[in-house]
This record gives sequence, C-alpha cells and structure tokens, in this order.
Amino acid sequence: GAVVSQHPSWVICKSGTSVKIECRSLDFQATTMFWYRQFPKQSLMLMATSNEGSKATYEQGVEKDKFLINHASLTLSTLTVTSAHPEDSSFYICSARDSQDYEQYFGPGTRLTVT
Amino acid sequence: GQNIDQPTEMTATEGAIVQINCTYQTSGFNGLFWYQQHAGEAPTFLSYNVLDGLEEKGRFSSFLSRSKGYSYLLLKELQMKDSASYLCAAVSNDYKLSFGAGTTVTVRA
Repeated sequence: GAVVSQHPSWVICKSGTSVKIECRSLDFQATTMFWYRQFPKQSLMLMATSNEGSKATYEQGVEKDKFLINHASLTLSTLTVTSAHPEDSSFYICSARDSQDYEQYFGPGTRLTVT
Repeated sequence: GQNIDQPTEMTATEGAIVQINCTYQTSGFNGLFWYQQHAGEAPTFLSYNVLDGLEEKGRFSSFLSRSKGYSYLLLKELQMKDSASYLCAAVSNDYKLSFGAGTTVTVRA
C-alpha cells in the first residue's frame, strides 16, 4: 500500500515553455502533498506544501507565480513550472501523507531538463 | 529554523558495520526519519523514531536521543547494494520534513 506515482518520469522542454508534473496517491487519500526539488549531489529541498482544496504554502525563496501548484482532489496534485529556464533543470519529487501519521510516501521523481 | 547535520561520505568494506550519525536542531520536533536514496531515484523509507531508544529492523537499526538532538543509522553486514545516499530528516509538528545533506556510503569489496 501507500503508493505515489508521478508523471512524467522525465521531460525535456525548451526555455520559456511551461511543464506540468502530476503527483497521484494511488491507494490512499492524501491529506497533504509536498513538492521537493533536488539538485545533483544535494539533498531534497522543500518547495511547497499543498492541502486539498486550499492554496499551497510556499517555502521562503520559492516563487509561487513560477511554480504553480494545484491540489484539486485528495489523490492528485500538480506542479507547473512556468516559463522554464535552464536553471530550473532539476529532479522534482512529490510526497504525500494521509491523516494518520507523520510518514510521507515519495513518488519516483521527475527529471526536468530545460534546454 | 531547522539545522540537520550528517557526514558527507563514508566508505566501508562488504560485510562490515557502518554507523551514520545525525544531529539536529529543529523547532516543533516530532520524530526522525532515515531514508535511502540511490542516484536518480526517489528516497525510500528505512526507519522512523519518535521515542528515545533503538529500533531494529533486520540489518538496519536506528537510534534516537531527543535530549541530545542526536540519531544514528546502523547498517550491519554491509552488501554492495547498500551503496547509496542516506538521508536523515526531522519532521516537525506541521508535518514538514527537513532533510540533512545526505551521507554517501560506498561499500567496497
């Protein structure tokens, strides 16, 4: 149980375009979903926290107009990287938790390359 | 703010034991997670400690001392497949995880 999927697993896009990444909890209802970014040889950095039906809470230094997060249902959250630039190239990972405990279940990640 | 410290790298021989230490200073602390991450993959859960003491799960054990802000992950009978990055993460009462930079463990034959 507790499976989280992400789509796509990798994407290459041109500078200036937008990319949408989906995160789904497959067998549980996710009270909260989290979005992380990981640059090579660095740890995961929390970008934002989203709760179903409400606006996402962004961490300091993360541009909310650039990284649009929508958590429309208890099983789906999306992250849209708008007007992507090469410096946005990174490994984006989502996680989800249900209401029962503190554990977060991680998706497999999305490798974004902006050319 | 949150401050999580762990060593950058460790090397050990196949069959040996390695202990990865983690110290933390966090507000609203509600437990300590350890994750394993292979290159290019998402983290996988290893352990969660919320109370002081040692939790053992097969070859992996994790220890927590809340009063000292200290945890360690013990890997026994090391195998080549254990070569990975090990992430220490503190969870706060708002459910957010704060990760350490990760410890890269290299297992040599």
